[in-house]
Amino acid sequence: GESVGLHLPTLSVQEGDNSIINCAYSNSASDYFIWYKQESGKGPQFIIDIRSNMDKRQGQRVTVLLNKTVKHLSLQIAATQPGDSAVYFCAENIDNYGQNFVFGPGTRLSVLP
Amino acid sequence: GAVVSQHPSWVICKSGTSVKIECRSLDFQATTMFWYRQFPKQSLMLMATSNEGSKATYEQGVEKDKFLINHASLTLSTLTVTSAHPEDSSFYICSARTGWAYEQYFGPGTRLTVT
Repeated sequence: GESVGLHLPTLSVQEGDNSIINCAYSNSASDYFIWYKQESGKGPQFIIDIRSNMDKRQGQRVTVLLNKTVKHLSLQIAATQPGDSAVYFCAENIDNYGQNFVFGPGTRLSVLP
Repeated sequence: GAVVSQHPSWVICKSGTSVKIECRSLDFQATTMFWYRQFPKQSLMLMATSNEGSKATYEQGVEKDKFLINHASLTLSTLTVTSAHPEDSSFYICSARTGWAYEQYFGPGTRLTVT
């Protein structure tokens, strides 16, 4: 069935370094993707989104890359800060109506001092 | 803007009792609300989708008679876990969207512990 998965369940980076979190998706028809950040005991927080007609989108310190050829999504965080420590989920819209999102298993990002 | 609240944030109940969780959109009208369940160290699993004034659409494997969802207004949806059992212990998260926008705004979650 359709699924969204992550290559790395945990990621540790030094403060100030760049972080790259990866996500593989299997539904080639998906047209919209979101990255969420979830801190312990809290709900997910929107970080950045991208539509399938784009291959790159930049926000403040974050960049999302979409490679539709290999069905791969990545989140890049520049100059990672301690406050970036959290679990990051990619979510794939599988119905093209924004109703049904499938979330990946999550990657825990730990920022080392 | 786009704030979603949940109440309570944490609830402990005895097995066999029912628990109601509220989800409110504070500064926008939520035409669609979603309920997710998240077990420790796992991802979010969609339980159901509800549109204001309509019956909720449940995902496969989610018992509609056990997880009662009511979306009575454009700012409030409730999830009632009936006859709760320890295996229902989880983190329940709601989200809301307005109109045809794809983005969902998530609530802070409710931790349910059934003893």
